[in-house]
Amino acid sequence: AQTVTQSQPEMSVQEAETVTLSCTYDTSESDYYLFWYKQPPSRQMILVIRQEAYKQQNATENRFSVNFQKAAKSFSLKISDSQLGDAAMYFCAYRSGGISNFGNEKLTFGTGTRLTIIP
Amino acid sequence: NAGVTQTPKFQVLKTGQSMTLQCAQDMNHNSMYWYRQDPGMGLRLIYYSASEGTTDKGEVPNGYNVSRLNKREFSLRLESAAPSQTSVYFCASPPGTGVTFSYEQYFGPGTRLTVT
Repeated sequence: AQTVTQSQPEMSVQEAETVTLSCTYDTSESDYYLFWYKQPPSRQMILVIRQEAYKQQNATENRFSVNFQKAAKSFSLKISDSQLGDAAMYFCAYRSGGISNFGNEKLTFGTGTRLTIIP
Repeated sequence: NAGVTQTPKFQVLKTGQSMTLQCAQDMNHNSMYWYRQDPGMGLRLIYYSASEGTTDKGEVPNGYNVSRLNKREFSLRLESAAPSQTSVYFCASPPGTGVTFSYEQYFGPGTRLTVT
C-alpha cells in the first residue's frame, strides 16, 4: 500500500515571499501521479498542480511549482509571491497509474499542512 | 452543470441514529468515491464505485454502507451512528480513464456530520 507523509502540520510565510511545503511518499509502483490540493476555509477541495511520475520535468502552474525527486520519493510544492488568498490547508495526494490501474482513481492523501499568510 | 452535489451540508445525530448522505454528479462519470476527513488525518477512502452496479471497500469502511443507485447517484449510509463517525464527508467523481485520460477528481462541497 502507498503512504503519503506531510511532516509540516503548519507553515507561515510573509505576503509576497516564497514558501515550500514538503511531501514524501512510499510506493513500489513505477507509474503514478502526484497532486497538491488546496482546501480553503470553505472546505472545497481545489486541485493546485499535478505531476506524472514518468515526466522528468517539474510541473508549474503560474506561481505554483513542484520539485519532484522520484528517486528520493519527494514531492514538494513551492508557492512564489504568496498572496492572502493562498491561506489554506494543502494536501499532497498519490494516485496509481499504468494500464493495470485503469479505472482505479483512488487518492491517498497526506495529513495536510496549514499555510498561514502574514500580511 | 452543478458538478458534484452533496446533501445535507450539515447534520447532527445522536448516537444510534441512522442517516443517509446523498451524492450526485451530472458529468456522466462512471466512478464515484466517498472520503472522510478528520483533523490531523487527511482524507481517507470509505467506499467507492467504479461503475454503476459495483461498490468496493476503501480504507475505512466499517460502520458504513453504500448504494450506487444509478450512474448519477452514490449514497453513504450510517446505520447506527457513533461519535467516532463525527467527520467531514466528501463525495468525489473523477472523469475516468480511457483514451482521454484526465487527472481531475471533482469533489463535492462536503457534509459536516456531528454525532453526540
